[in-house]
Amino acid sequence: DAGVIQSPRHEVTEMGQEVTLRCKPISGHNSLFWYRQTMMRGLELLIYFNNNVPIDDSGMPEDRFSAKMPNASFSTLKIQPSEPRDSAVYFCASSVGGWTEAFFGQGTRLTVV
Amino acid sequence: AQTVTQSQPEMSVQEAETVTLSCTYDTSENNYYLFWYKQPPSRQMILVIRQEAYKQQNATENRFSVNFQKAAKSFSLKISDSQLGDTAMYFCAFMRNNAGNMLTFGGGTRLMVKP
Repeated sequence: DAGVIQSPRHEVTEMGQEVTLRCKPISGHNSLFWYRQTMMRGLELLIYFNNNVPIDDSGMPEDRFSAKMPNASFSTLKIQPSEPRDSAVYFCASSVGGWTEAFFGQGTRLTVV
Repeated sequence: AQTVTQSQPEMSVQEAETVTLSCTYDTSENNYYLFWYKQPPSRQMILVIRQEAYKQQNATENRFSVNFQKAAKSFSLKISDSQLGDTAMYFCAFMRNNAGNMLTFGGGTRLMVKP
């Protein structure tokens, strides 16, 4: 299995632009997570999907952030408009559910200038 | 809400020696899981070891073992025979019952293994 695949690996964009991060979970996994990693706040959960349905989005920082999971093999995290404080590494992770560990993608390093 | 605290921002150890990374957590739950993840410079998050709270026996994975003290809410990671490839950030993480697989992470400990 190829693992969780995220794209792009690096993204540099100008303030105010729309940014879309993409994730393909491991086949057969029914839980998907988006995490954000910053020096100041560490690793934070942004949103959790189960069977393509958003279950907990309490970690989404504000309305500029939105996430979708149109099917079991694809999810997006969109920031519109982007701001410099959104600069971070964004991780997607998936799991089979239950008491199993999450498998992480390699992350997308976002830089907003 | 759960909190996870790693009190050692940075640690170093000589190659082949043993090092212990500390983690404490705060929860009112009785059933939960604890994890240690490793993040090398490649940025990939890699599961090192997991512990079920209902199990009294400490988990072990090759050179990695934990000391789980449920009453003290402590979950330390011991790395034996440290190798240069163990150099990485290590994150302690908590997963509570009936909350999907959502993880709450500690702030991390940067471990440097010196030759």
